[in-house]
Amino acid sequence: DAGITQSPRHKVTETGTPVTLRCHQTENHRYMYWYRQDPGHGLRLIHYSYGVKDTDKGEVSDGYSVSRSKTEDFLLTLESATSSQTSVYFCAISESGRTHGNTIYFGEGSWLTVV
Amino acid sequence: AQSVAQPEDQVNVAEGNPLTVKCTYSVSGNPYLFWYVQYPNRGLQFLLKYITGDNLVKGSYGFEAEFNKSQTSFHLKKPSALVSDSALYFCAAGRQAAVNKLTFGGGTRVLVKP
Repeated sequence: DAGITQSPRHKVTETGTPVTLRCHQTENHRYMYWYRQDPGHGLRLIHYSYGVKDTDKGEVSDGYSVSRSKTEDFLLTLESATSSQTSVYFCAISESGRTHGNTIYFGEGSWLTVV
Repeated sequence: AQSVAQPEDQVNVAEGNPLTVKCTYSVSGNPYLFWYVQYPNRGLQFLLKYITGDNLVKGSYGFEAEFNKSQTSFHLKKPSALVSDSALYFCAAGRQAAVNKLTFGGGTRVLVKP
């Protein structure tokens, strides 16, 4: 398994509260990603990072922010959680953005329920 | 915009029979294509990928996939399915020479019956 640790693995929170999910990697990979998984939608990219303090939006970035202050850590923050953000969140890493043989590896997921 | 379609929500197959999971894609330019498998309450595991070269790609656990440019398809196959192959399978596509913004299909659940 790729050296990716997500925390917390399970969380229940109330609507309107802030939530931060953490992703930690031990592979020293440059690229890190946050995806969410919802039934019928597969996985959708929220944000990604191509280096320390370098981030960009994915296709479903509204309501989310990210930060990357160290190569190994990528944080996903829900500033004010809503029920529509109930989902499974996956962190992923890859060695390079240019896919000449590159592969994205996924963490084990964080189950978030917003009530 | 790129897209990936997995037309079957579920595929049922008897153990020992061939398994096929279908995937079609729409990507501008040359695509790169992946298959991942997900077991319950786990993350996605990489199975195989197509970047360039041979249209038949061999991957982990006896799986292979055939790239067909004219039909824009990348079907996953296994000659003899095992009960342990029961899982959720995802096809993903992206554009070569670009940042890894993969687009995933909705997933196909495979159920292999003894």
